[in-house]
Amino acid sequence: EPEVTQTPSHQVTQMGQEVILRCVPISNHLYFYWYRQILGQKVEFLVSFYNNEISEKSEIFDDQFSVERPDGSNFTLKIRSTKLEDSAMYFCASSADQGWGTQYFGPGTRLLVL
Amino acid sequence: AQSVTQPDIHITVSEGASLELRCNYSYGATPYLFWYVQSPGQGLQLLLKYFSGDTLVQGIKGFEAEFKRSQSSFNLRKPSVHWSDAAEYFCAVGVGEYGNKLVFGAGTILRVKS
Repeated sequence: EPEVTQTPSHQVTQMGQEVILRCVPISNHLYFYWYRQILGQKVEFLVSFYNNEISEKSEIFDDQFSVERPDGSNFTLKIRSTKLEDSAMYFCASSADQGWGTQYFGPGTRLLVL
Repeated sequence: AQSVTQPDIHITVSEGASLELRCNYSYGATPYLFWYVQSPGQGLQLLLKYFSGDTLVQGIKGFEAEFKRSQSSFNLRKPSVHWSDAAEYFCAVGVGEYGNKLVFGAGTILRVKS
């Protein structure tokens, strides 16, 4: 069964450093998402992406965040200057359809900012 | 604002016993409702979803959920729990123009005792 993959599984970085989290969505999917879960808190929507542009973003997704689909398979989330509060599990998801489609989630990248 | 409440943080049931996980949502429009399950080290896997029609929906792994508009609830049930069902369960509502921005509850951790 096709699945969403994410790399790395864990990343430790210093505050102020840039990080790039990578995702490979399911190959025929057109809609891509990032969510995050701070330890002990709910899974939160960050951004949705379609046709090489952001469809919707949450208030969390400020200028420090950016997303990109650099080639036909990868979908990345960049945090330009990490803060301690960016420490969280980041989930990538993809779907074939927009409103009615199931979102398939990857296993997540656990980011720790020191 | 849209929100999802899962009142039970932890639930323990005996193997073979029935299970009900509670979920209440707050959303002004017709909700798109989902239940996801997360096993350790895994991504979020969709168990079932409700968009419209029959208010009792069947999902994978023998799970079902019933949408009750009058109670703003979407409780997940399983008649006989297996040890492999031990995981964390998340209820979510799809919001936004296309219902593809998921708002999650805090999750319920299910422990199964033999």
